[in-house]
Amino acid sequence: GAVVSQHPSWVICKSGTSVKIECRSLDFQATTMFWYRQFPKQSLMLMATSNEGSKATYEQGVEKDKFLINHASLTLSTLTVTSAHPEDSSFYICSAADRAQGEAFFGQGTRLTVV
Amino acid sequence: AQRVTQPEKLLSVFKGAPVELKCNYSYSGSPELFWYVQYSRQRLQLLLRHISRESIKGFTADLNKGETSFHLKKPFAQEEDSAMYYCANFGNEKLTFGTGTRLTIIP
Repeated sequence: GAVVSQHPSWVICKSGTSVKIECRSLDFQATTMFWYRQFPKQSLMLMATSNEGSKATYEQGVEKDKFLINHASLTLSTLTVTSAHPEDSSFYICSAADRAQGEAFFGQGTRLTVV
Repeated sequence: AQRVTQPEKLLSVFKGAPVELKCNYSYSGSPELFWYVQYSRQRLQLLLRHISRESIKGFTADLNKGETSFHLKKPFAQEEDSAMYYCANFGNEKLTFGTGTRLTIIP
């Protein structure tokens, strides 16, 4: 199957700083990527849908100025957590949709810890 | 709006016993349903999708539009089936997940 690479796998940052997470589709072009947040022992919560060349679509309750998404190319989407606070600590997962194969592939996730 | 419901957070089954993980959906359009699995310390991966009507690792799932369900079944559980299972629907250009069921196979 296709591969989605997410980087970094984990990051620790100080409160008030910004953190960028990258999501790459390695062997297919992804016009759409999804960003999820997963709290411990809970399901994946969709944060936003990232569309190549256009603005991301955010889910209700997700602050777009807090979680900046950029999808500049067909193989790369980035999520920047701005002015991070401890409550932003979580597991963030990206997914890229390969319409040709009719499925979504997931990155390995990024564990963000804000101290 | 779409919604995917997995009523069981935890499910424990003895090895060799049948397994059924429940999934119900709510979606006004034509559903496109998937089961994803996450083994310990691994990423989410697709288990099966209703369109292809395939059987993967002995698991099957049938879409029942009348009951709006897409339950995952396996006749004989194996220890390696222990994992987190998510049901998902792709609608309105979004992949929406259920809350997941943690399946534990008791040796």
